[in-house]
Amino acid sequence: QLQLQESGPGLVKPSETLSLTCTVSGGSISSSSYYWGWIRQPPGKGLEWIGSIYYSGSTYYNPSLKSRVTISVDTSKNQFSLKLSSVTAADTAVYYCARHFLTEGFDIWGQGTMVTVSS
Amino acid sequence: DIQMTQSPSSVSASVGDRVTITCRASQGISSWLAWYQQKPGKAPKLLIYAASSLQSGVPSRFSGSGSGTDFTLTISSLQPEDFATYYCQQANSFPQGFTFGPGTKVDIK
Repeated sequence: QLQLQESGPGLVKPSETLSLTCTVSGGSISSSSYYWGWIRQPPGKGLEWIGSIYYSGSTYYNPSLKSRVTISVDTSKNQFSLKLSSVTAADTAVYYCARHFLTEGFDIWGQGTMVTVSS
Repeated sequence: DIQMTQSPSSVSASVGDRVTITCRASQGISSWLAWYQQKPGKAPKLLIYAASSLQSGVPSRFSGSGSGTDFTLTISSLQPEDFATYYCQQANSFPQGFTFGPGTKVDIK
C-alpha cells in the first residue's frame, strides 16, 4: 500500500534553511486529485499545516509561513520536498508529510522526522 | 483566517464510556471538517472526513456530526486503544489553507 517517508537533517542551525524530502512508495505521486502536504508539530504542541503541492507543481502555502516556504515535486523520483528558510528555534518540530484529497483530510502520513534548530 | 477551538481540552473517561468532543469554527465551513487521533510518538490517523464520513478501516464506534460552525466527534463505547489526543481540522478554506484545532486529550479515569 501507499507509504510516505520523510528524510533530511535532524539538526539545522539558526538562520539556515531546513530541507526535507518525502518519498512516496507503493503508488504514484502523479495520481490525479491527490495533493501532497507538509504538517509540523512542535514538541508537546498541536499541528500546523505548512503547505501542499499538486503533482503538476501548483503550490499552496500557509500564509503565516509563505515568505519562508518552498515546496517542490519531482515526479521522476516520486518525491516532494520542503524548504524552510531563516529558521529559528520556533521551527523546532516533528515534520510530517501526508497525502490529501482536496478537502477530505490527510489520509496517509509519513512517520514524521524531528528537526531541531540549534547552534 | 479561520480559527478552530475544541472542548474540552482534556477528558478523563473509563472503558465503555461514551465520549463527546466538540469543535467550533470561527466562521462557517460547511461540512469540510476532519477528525484525527494521535497517539504519543505516532503520526495522526484520519478518523472522519467531511464531518461525518468514516474513513475506511476506522471502527464504527467513532462518529462525527455537525455543519457550519459546530461539530462533534463521538466515541460510543471507549476502548483501551482509544486513549489518545484528538484533533479537528477545517478544510473549507483550501487552497487558502487548513487549520487544526488545539486538540483534546482523552485519558484514563
